[in-house]
Amino acid sequence: EDQVTQSPEALRLQEGESSSLNCSYTVSGLRGLFWYRQDPGKGPEFLFTLYSAGEEKEKERLKATLTKKESFLHITAPKPEDSATYLCAAFTGGGNKLTFGTGTQLKVEL
Amino acid sequence: EPEVTQTPSHQVTQMGQEVILRCVPISNHLYFYWYRQILGQKVEFLVSFYNNEISEKSEIFDDQFSVERPDGSNFTLKIRSTKLEDSAMYFCASSATGEETQYFGPGTRLLVL
Repeated sequence: EDQVTQSPEALRLQEGESSSLNCSYTVSGLRGLFWYRQDPGKGPEFLFTLYSAGEEKEKERLKATLTKKESFLHITAPKPEDSATYLCAAFTGGGNKLTFGTGTQLKVEL
Repeated sequence: EPEVTQTPSHQVTQMGQEVILRCVPISNHLYFYWYRQILGQKVEFLVSFYNNEISEKSEIFDDQFSVERPDGSNFTLKIRSTKLEDSAMYFCASSATGEETQYFGPGTRLLVL
């Protein structure tokens, strides 16, 4: 059974305090690794797709990396508006399904 | 920027009633999906749909569930006889191709009483 695990479950940072979120996966036939941001009561908002080990993508204060077993979302000098739940999802299978982790709830304080 | 839209945003229904959740995918997208998220839990895949057929469905997607693309713009999820455990946020998503990013709608919060 495909599994995606995210850690930590929750993270509290001071504004400007950089950190990393982890996503480890055990899936058969990984075709890609997606990162999304989810605000309370809203739908997942796309951030990045990574397709192969060694790939890196950046957007503003966020950088996503991928290895053969895990992905990291690095947040550099976060701001309060970065507070959200960050979801990773493994893209597998003939039906193009996403298997999500439980997310990391990030809170950035002034 | 094109986006996926869903209606209604909230729906309250009685156990045993039928509900239809509606989605308008991004206009040039060909692949459509339904996911659900029970409060406090992870987002779970329900079904994927391409070329007017179901491509894959999860164990959750039993005979009580069905999907349809009734016209060129809408994509619907029907739950025939709702149960208490169907209470969740239901998300529609679409992608241009099978390999590309899935874009999610804002969700429909379904409450079954």
